[in-house]
Amino acid sequence: QVQLQESGPGLVKPSETLSLTCTVSGGSVSSGSYYWSWIRQPPGKGLEWIGYISYSRSTIYNPSLKSRVTISVDASKNQFTLKLSSVTAADTAVYYCATQGAGSSRQVVNWGQGTLVTVSS
Amino acid sequence: SYELTQPPSVSVSPGQTASITCSGDKLGDKYASWYQQKPGQSPVLVIYQDNKRPSGIPERFSGSNSGSTATLTISGTQAMDEADYYCQTWDTSTVIFGGGTKMTVL
Repeated sequence: QVQLQESGPGLVKPSETLSLTCTVSGGSVSSGSYYWSWIRQPPGKGLEWIGYISYSRSTIYNPSLKSRVTISVDASKNQFTLKLSSVTAADTAVYYCATQGAGSSRQVVNWGQGTLVTVSS
Repeated sequence: SYELTQPPSVSVSPGQTASITCSGDKLGDKYASWYQQKPGQSPVLVIYQDNKRPSGIPERFSGSNSGSTATLTISGTQAMDEADYYCQTWDTSTVIFGGGTKMTVL
């Protein structure tokens, strides 16, 4: 069973770049079994998919966030990271790292515990 | 852009059957998945590929998907099933979630 743990600052200033890391255990980011994803949930609201990176380092992002998002992998540390630039208060959310199945349904199989990021000066 | 629509809330009595719907254009031509989220916890996958249950998910959870509507059915609902439920699909290389349904077990 893959386990995921998010880490990073809990407070980011407006206009700055949010940066989070997901540490993977019980699996390898170089494995073709999963896509490595980020999903967020504003307080009291629903889920929003941010994007994913594959074992081959190809990425797909939510079109609504694409201009501000970068997801990358550090295989040596078995980690993947999220960078979201030019943040505003609307980016305040619990951020989850997750794995998605590589099949045609792209279901989210494993979730991290989530980390709250607040955007405020 | 593609959208999935869920009712904001449903209520069910213990032991009864709960149904939560998820509507989207020709959703039946795509796969639907469902997630359960309890307060303060991460979501949990309960149904994938329309009607498959992951290991460890009780048999009382089932799913269907046809036409423009996917349905999550919970038979013999228990108090522990009270949670938010989200549907999800995959369209033009994008993951889409429904807005979520709060299920109350009265």
